[in-house]
Amino acid sequence: EAGVAQSPRYKIIEKRQSVAFWCNPISGHATLYWYQQILGQGPKLLIQFQNNGVVDDSQLPKDRFSAERLKGVDSTLKIQPAKLEDSAVYLCASSLERDGNYGYTFGSGTRLTVV
Amino acid sequence: AQSVAQPEDQVNVAEGNPLTVKCTYSVSGNPYLFWYVQYPNRGLQFLLKYITGDNLVKGSYGFEAEFNKSQTSFHLKKPSALVSDSALYFCAVSHTWGKLQFGAGTQVVVTP
Repeated sequence: EAGVAQSPRYKIIEKRQSVAFWCNPISGHATLYWYQQILGQGPKLLIQFQNNGVVDDSQLPKDRFSAERLKGVDSTLKIQPAKLEDSAVYLCASSLERDGNYGYTFGSGTRLTVV
Repeated sequence: AQSVAQPEDQVNVAEGNPLTVKCTYSVSGNPYLFWYVQYPNRGLQFLLKYITGDNLVKGSYGFEAEFNKSQTSFHLKKPSALVSDSALYFCAVSHTWGKLQFGAGTQVVVTP
């Protein structure tokens, strides 16, 4: 089965610019997650979708971050405007069911550098 | 609230020796526990998980982990480490509603 696809792999932007990341989960996976991994730290959940509805966005900085999942499949994560502290790897993951009983599959991530 | 602790920032082991990476967790109810490995510039790769059942879980690449409910631990083990096992290892816990909480990670360095 195909894995979780993410693009772009790398992105360098200046602070105050905007950026968008794209994720295509495994076909049939109802739950989609965006994680932020800052260098030297474990991934931190930003937002969780169940189909096209938001389950948990409590740690999403909503003044600058936004995410959507169109038709319950692909998802985009946007940052506008970016800050230096947003430099991180943004990981997308998907799972078949919400409870994770079938496990989670991660994409390769997008490495964002804000200068 | 759920949390995961990986007490060691780095573990150094000689090739051929046993490898142990420690993890303790805190969660209300029954935990779902996971181990992932991350190689440089790569995403997270699944190693193994504990959902229910046998406390000793066997996973990919010869790794195994033992769930200990009384000590709230889920240590990752490999009987004989390889140089290629050098990577960043993450323990994670999930409750039934799906959110994965990761530890800070443990860098494993296996020397020839």
